[in-house]
Amino acid sequence: EPEVTQTPSHQVTQMGQEVILRCVPISNHLYFYWYRQILGQKVEFLVSFYNNEISEKSEIFDDQFSVERPDGSNFTLKIRSTKLEDSAMYFCASLTGSYGYTFGSGTRLTVV
Amino acid sequence: DAKTTQPPSMDCAEGRAANLPCNHSTISGNEYVYWYRQIHSQGPQYIIHGLKNNETNEMASLIITEDRKSSTLILPHATLRDTAVYYCIVRTFNDYKLSFGAGTTVTVRA
Repeated sequence: EPEVTQTPSHQVTQMGQEVILRCVPISNHLYFYWYRQILGQKVEFLVSFYNNEISEKSEIFDDQFSVERPDGSNFTLKIRSTKLEDSAMYFCASLTGSYGYTFGSGTRLTVV
Repeated sequence: DAKTTQPPSMDCAEGRAANLPCNHSTISGNEYVYWYRQIHSQGPQYIIHGLKNNETNEMASLIITEDRKSSTLILPHATLRDTAVYYCIVRTFNDYKLSFGAGTTVTVRA
């Protein structure tokens, strides 16, 4: 069964450093997403990406965040200057336009 | 804001059916009911969705009331691996963003 692949599975970074979280969505999917989940809290929408541009973003997704699809396969989330409160699981997801998302297994980001 | 209400937790015996309720009394005509689950901080997993008819797939059945104000997800023969947080989500077919609530934590006991 096709999978969404996320790397790394766990990233530890110092406050103020830049991090890039990587995702390889399912190849024929058209819509790409990032969600995050702070420990013990709900899964929260961050951003959606379609046709090489952001289609929607949440209030969380401020100018410290950016997304890119640099080639035909990778989809990245960059946090420019990490804060302690950015510590969370970050999930990438893709969708083909039919019914259900496919989520990756997540990257656990720990900011120290 | 989540448009659904689910019980925070429920237990189920292994091998028995698990019936998970969801209230969505403000659902509008073009909104679908989706169910996802999340096993121990893994990425959420799609289970099933429906508009007004009952649906069944290899994982579960979805029963939607005639007035569409509530639904029930049925796991026909729960196993220990079905222990997870189950999310009932309402969304329009063209609004692909998912709004997760707190879900129902289902614990399947041997």
